[in-house]
Amino acid sequence: AQKITQTQPGMFVQEKEAVTLDCTYDTSDQSYGLFWYKQPSSGEMIFLIYQGSYDEQNATEGRYSLNFQKARKSANLVISASQLGDSAMYFCAMREGFGTYKYIFGTGTRLKVLA
Amino acid sequence: EAGVAQSPRYKIIEKRQSVAFWCNPISGHATLYWYQQILGQGPKLLIQFQNNGVVDDSQLPKDRFSAERLKGVDSTLKIQPAKLEDSAVYLCASSPLTRGSPGELFFGEGSRLTVL
Repeated sequence: AQKITQTQPGMFVQEKEAVTLDCTYDTSDQSYGLFWYKQPSSGEMIFLIYQGSYDEQNATEGRYSLNFQKARKSANLVISASQLGDSAMYFCAMREGFGTYKYIFGTGTRLKVLA
Repeated sequence: EAGVAQSPRYKIIEKRQSVAFWCNPISGHATLYWYQQILGQGPKLLIQFQNNGVVDDSQLPKDRFSAERLKGVDSTLKIQPAKLEDSAVYLCASSPLTRGSPGELFFGEGSRLTVL
């Protein structure tokens, strides 16, 4: 069964340091997509980064990069040079299907950036 | 481009009462999703529409929850009668599914329900 696992309920990082948020997934599909979303305390879900299952290079978007290891079924988010505004919940999500997509989410990791 | 609109933002009701949430997706987005997010958990899909047809409602508690998207645009999610465990944020999302795009979900701000 399709599944997303985030094993870190909470993480702390010092401002300006890098942090890695873990995500593993399980799927029998060959074509799928992996996403990371940020959810600040205000509640909105903000799309950060995307990795397609056939993409050979790791995705990067500014300070965000996705460490995609297909054989290990992991899609970890790396945030470089952490800022206080990065404090939020982070969700890993997977898109499956063809034509009509289905998205499932992990349980999230709460990141706190310390000054 | 206007984002996904949801209302109301907050609702407090007594158990066994009814409540309705409204969502207007981004213009042109064919697929609309309703998620339930209980405090401290990830979003859980309740129902998925493509245009005005239901694609997946396998996790919708149909004895109390209903949803419709009559003209393939805006959607309403109803709970009747509400239970204490329905306290959650109800997130609406839409997706463009445009060729070449990653197909990320665009979320509204959510409707926070408290059932007393």
